[in-house]
Amino acid sequence: GENVEQHPSTLSVQEGDSAVIKCTYSDSASNYFPWYKQELGKRPQLIIDIRSNVGEKKDQRIAVTLNKTAKHFSLHITETQPEDSAVYFCADNTNAGKSTFGDGTTLTVKP
Amino acid sequence: DTAVSQTPKYLVTQMGNDKSIKCEQNLGHDTMYWYKQDSKKFLKIMFSYNNKELIINETVPNRFSPKSPDKAHLNLHINSLELGDSAVYFCASSQGKANEQFFGPGTRLTVL
Repeated sequence: GENVEQHPSTLSVQEGDSAVIKCTYSDSASNYFPWYKQELGKRPQLIIDIRSNVGEKKDQRIAVTLNKTAKHFSLHITETQPEDSAVYFCADNTNAGKSTFGDGTTLTVKP
Repeated sequence: DTAVSQTPKYLVTQMGNDKSIKCEQNLGHDTMYWYKQDSKKFLKIMFSYNNKELIINETVPNRFSPKSPDKAHLNLHINSLELGDSAVYFCASSQGKANEQFFGPGTRLTVL
């Protein structure tokens, strides 16, 4: 995509609480929206993704929602655990091969 | 059975030098990428290759020259290194241009 805004930049929650991270994109050609988790000193790894023809997807404690009209998508993590602490990146992708990442959200889950 | 591998893992060099980073994937993917992650952890795409052809070049200085000898390899050569080039460089691959990307372990480049 062209530009992806991600909020908040830092998020601190108590263990067991929910965490929500939001992203907004601008490229109308974007059709694939992955979320990556990057632990300290490690590589980014996909945790969940959604395509433009789907509004919501869930995988155990994580879910992603997409509002194509408003051009925003969100990551929801329920029943957070200390091992969820990491930097989370949203991204958007187009069929042209353009991949734009948000600036990341540092999530801290306090035990 | 590493999926995406990069060498070297660490690279420390002087300003003005030329260096290369190599990337290989054994996933059979047709698309490969180079990303730069700076000290603030921002992850920015630099290049994208599909079937050995350059498809995305994100206004990267021409001191950076990627080369894809075949679909499984994407190398990055950097000329006249500058202090601002210090970062972690990640290679990634995917099957198709809009699918899950698998990242390599990263190469931490430090320019002194």
